[in-house]
Amino acid sequence: QLQLQESGPGLVKPSETLSLTCSVSGGSISSTSYYWAWIRQPPGKGLEWLGSIYHGGRTYYNPSLKSRVTMSVDTSKNQFSLKVNPLTATDTAVYYCARQVVQQLVPSYFDSWGQGTLVTVSS
Amino acid sequence: DIQMTQSPSTLSAAVGDRVTITCRTSQSITKSLAWFQQKPGKAPKLLIYEASNLETGVSSRFSGSGSGTDFTLTISSLQPDDFATYYCQQYNSYWTFGQGTKVEIK
Repeated sequence: QLQLQESGPGLVKPSETLSLTCSVSGGSISSTSYYWAWIRQPPGKGLEWLGSIYHGGRTYYNPSLKSRVTMSVDTSKNQFSLKVNPLTATDTAVYYCARQVVQQLVPSYFDSWGQGTLVTVSS
Repeated sequence: DIQMTQSPSTLSAAVGDRVTITCRTSQSITKSLAWFQQKPGKAPKLLIYEASNLETGVSSRFSGSGSGTDFTLTISSLQPDDFATYYCQQYNSYWTFGQGTKVEIK
């Protein structure tokens, strides 16, 4: 059974860089049927898609975050990662990694999610 | 950007009630819509994709319908485990979520 597990710091200072990793088990990140995504949820609020990456490195990013988001993939470790910088207090959120089904060569809906990790941005 | 509007924001219902949640998009997304259930402290769970396809393992009391700009999620007979927040998500142009509908106990 597929499992996704986020890891990274729970507390980061403003203006610094957030680095999170998602470890995938029970399936291959190199599958041609899926993209891999990051989604976040500020406390008490809704869901915001951040970006998606394919095993070959093709990426899509949320335009509203401009150039603050970068994703990478490590197929040898079956992991993918997220960087966000510079951070502000509004980046405080639960960050989820998720698997995204490919339809007609592009990513679509999210069919499997990690448990999420709370990241607090504060000095 | 495609804007998404869910209604209502909060819904009070009793066990056994038929519940309907609506999701409207600012432009046509054909059938590129999914529905998720989220419980407090948990990750969202996929219920429906392609507007009306039930995800494997999800109870048949959940159903989805619609196309274009108007979509609905229906729970045929609300069960205690169904009290949660529900989100729609479009995947026609980038990927965006509705603001959520909280289903509360009446």
